[in-house]
Amino acid sequence: DAKTTQPNSMESNEEEPVHLPCNHSTISGTDYIHWYRQLPSQGPEYVIHGLTSNVNNRMASLAIAEDRKSSTLILHRATLRDAAVYYCILRDNYGQNFVFGPGTRLSVLP
Amino acid sequence: GAVVSQHPSRVICKSGTSVKIECRSLDFQATTMFWYRQFPKQSLMLMATSNEGSKATYEQGVEKDKFLINHASLTLSTLTVTSAHPEDSSFYICSAREWQDNYGYTFGSGTRLTVV
Repeated sequence: DAKTTQPNSMESNEEEPVHLPCNHSTISGTDYIHWYRQLPSQGPEYVIHGLTSNVNNRMASLAIAEDRKSSTLILHRATLRDAAVYYCILRDNYGQNFVFGPGTRLSVLP
Repeated sequence: GAVVSQHPSRVICKSGTSVKIECRSLDFQATTMFWYRQFPKQSLMLMATSNEGSKATYEQGVEKDKFLINHASLTLSTLTVTSAHPEDSSFYICSAREWQDNYGYTFGSGTRLTVV
């Protein structure tokens, strides 16, 4: 699976939008972009995934660059409960496991 | 949505004893389950992949005789840490993939193991 690069940490104020970047310059044509998040002392939780087009769901939006070498997870209004480590992971449709990098630790300030 | 139940959520055991951790898919059949380990301030590291009815595949550096994995049914996988030592203290997390879902996995809530 291709590697991703994310900032180690980010801060946001409550009720403001948050843009979490992810670089994946070696992405292959069959790699899906997955985002998971891990709250303290919890297992990872699915957030969103996409292939080429931007995606929206009740939790977040995923903006994918036209060349697919980067993507951005958008939380439209951060809440204190969004404080977590966010992982951007590439995996093709036939891949087995998810390979977790260090992720981005998001802090949300009240 | 799919739910994976992991039990116990935390356990303290004495050095030299064995501990069993259960991972159940509650509303779907999981042909494949994964076991991860996470040390403090670190990311998840895959330990092994288990497929129902067959032997688990262990990642390099993970002792298969120490971390016994059983996936006897489509809804249950167990991880047994045998002869536990303090260095085995960690956060263990399982995940499961529904047989027809190639896109996402569901993770359990994790088990905090402390060996004293």
